[in-house]
Amino acid sequence: AIRMTQSPSSFSASTGDRVTITCRASQGISSYLAWYQQKPGKAPKLLIYAASTLQSGVPSRFSGSGSGTDFTLTISCLQSEDFATYYCQQYYSYPPWTFGQGTKVEIK
Amino acid sequence: EVQLVESGGGLVQPGGSLRLSCAASGFTVSSNYMSWVRQAPGKGLEWVSVIYSGGSTYYADSVKGRFTISRHNSKNTLYLQMNSLRAEDTAVYYCASHPAAGFDYWGQGTLVTVSS
Repeated sequence: AIRMTQSPSSFSASTGDRVTITCRASQGISSYLAWYQQKPGKAPKLLIYAASTLQSGVPSRFSGSGSGTDFTLTISCLQSEDFATYYCQQYYSYPPWTFGQGTKVEIK
Repeated sequence: EVQLVESGGGLVQPGGSLRLSCAASGFTVSSNYMSWVRQAPGKGLEWVSVIYSGGSTYYADSVKGRFTISRHNSKNTLYLQMNSLRAEDTAVYYCASHPAAGFDYWGQGTLVTVSS
C-alpha cells in the first residue's frame, strides 16, 4: 500500500497567516491526490482533488500543488473557520485508499 | 441535495457483531463507489471497505474476513456487517461516496465502541 506522510503533524498560526502543509507519497502517484478538512465532531470535507482542483464551494484562499510524490496545501490568508485538521489522501493505487496522518492547525 | 445518514453504532462486547447502515438520498448508491472509513478516538482516517458500482467488494487487511460490505438497491442503503469485533475496531464509522476523484459526500458518522 502507498504510504502518505504529512508534515508538520500540528502547528499554531494566527488569523491572516499564509500556511502550508506538506504531503509526501511513498511512491509516485501522479496528481491523484485529495485534501480534506475535518473539524471536531464532524465528517471530513473534500477541499481539493487532482492535487490542485478546488471542490465546488471551497474558498479560493485554499490551493493545492504538486505531482509525483510531493504535494502542498496552502491557505493564503487563514480565517477563524480554517482552524481544523487537514488530511491528504491518494487515489492512484487502490484499494486501499490511504490517508496521511493529519495536520492540526491550531490558533496561536 | 445529497445526504448520507449512518445508523447502527453502539456498545458491543469483544467478539460480538454489529451491522451499520447508511441511508442515501439525492443520489443512487448502486451507481457509485461507496466506502466505509473509520476514525479511532483521537486518530486519523482509515479506509475500511468499498463496494463498486458493479458489485465487487474489497477490504482493508485489518478487517478482512470479519467485515462484510453490501447494499440494498431498492432501499438505496449501504451496510457494513461487522463480526468478531475487537477493541481496536472502536471508532466512528463514516460512509462515503467517491464517484471519481476524492470522497465527495460523507455521512455524519456512527460510533462503535467495543468493550467489556
